[in-house]
Amino acid sequence: AQSVTQPDIHITVSEGASLELRCNYSYGATPYLFWYVQSPGQGLQLLLKYFSGDTLVQGIKGFEAEFKRSQSSFNLRKPSVHWSDAAEYFCAVGAGYGGATNKLIFGTGTLLAVQP
Amino acid sequence: DGGITQSPKYLFRKEGQNVTLSCEQNLNHDAMYWYRQDPGQGLRLIYYSQIVNDFQKGDIAEGYSVSREKKESFPLTVTSAQKNPTAFYLCASRIDGTSGGDTQYFGPGTRLTVL
Repeated sequence: AQSVTQPDIHITVSEGASLELRCNYSYGATPYLFWYVQSPGQGLQLLLKYFSGDTLVQGIKGFEAEFKRSQSSFNLRKPSVHWSDAAEYFCAVGAGYGGATNKLIFGTGTLLAVQP
Repeated sequence: DGGITQSPKYLFRKEGQNVTLSCEQNLNHDAMYWYRQDPGQGLRLIYYSQIVNDFQKGDIAEGYSVSREKKESFPLTVTSAQKNPTAFYLCASRIDGTSGGDTQYFGPGTRLTVL
């Protein structure tokens, strides 16, 4: 069965420091992978996605993620964190593509705190 | 502006009552989804619909019902059979059948509290 693991429930970084949020997935075929961000009490905003091609994907707000098939990982990175990046981050895998089977399976999220 | 709207933002329900959460989109998306979010559990799929007048159960459909009479609307009813309905509910939509078709876009959510 497909699954997504985000091993870090909570991370605190200093403003200006680099960030890496981990995501591991389990999926039998080529995965469709997503990172979403959620501010408190809000919906989810898409940061970036990987469907195929270049394994390093650029997203909004200066985020990037790298797909590593050999490690079943899709880690999210940012070279310099801003206080406004404090939020909860969700990794997701698309269970199928097109058609009636396309669903997203989410990890449990990583809550990012940014200290001055 | 194109987007997904959910109403109300906050909803309070007494035990034993049914309540309906609204989700509307003007993106001309074919597929729509309902998720439930609880602290520390990520998002879990309740129901989804690929086309009008058709929908499928997700992973936690018990105690919920939906309808899809119009392309732009996908209301969710939380029935009295749902044992623990207090949660944050998120609606999403997706274009079906294009190269970008796997991206789901989310509404702002409805927080339901059972008193």
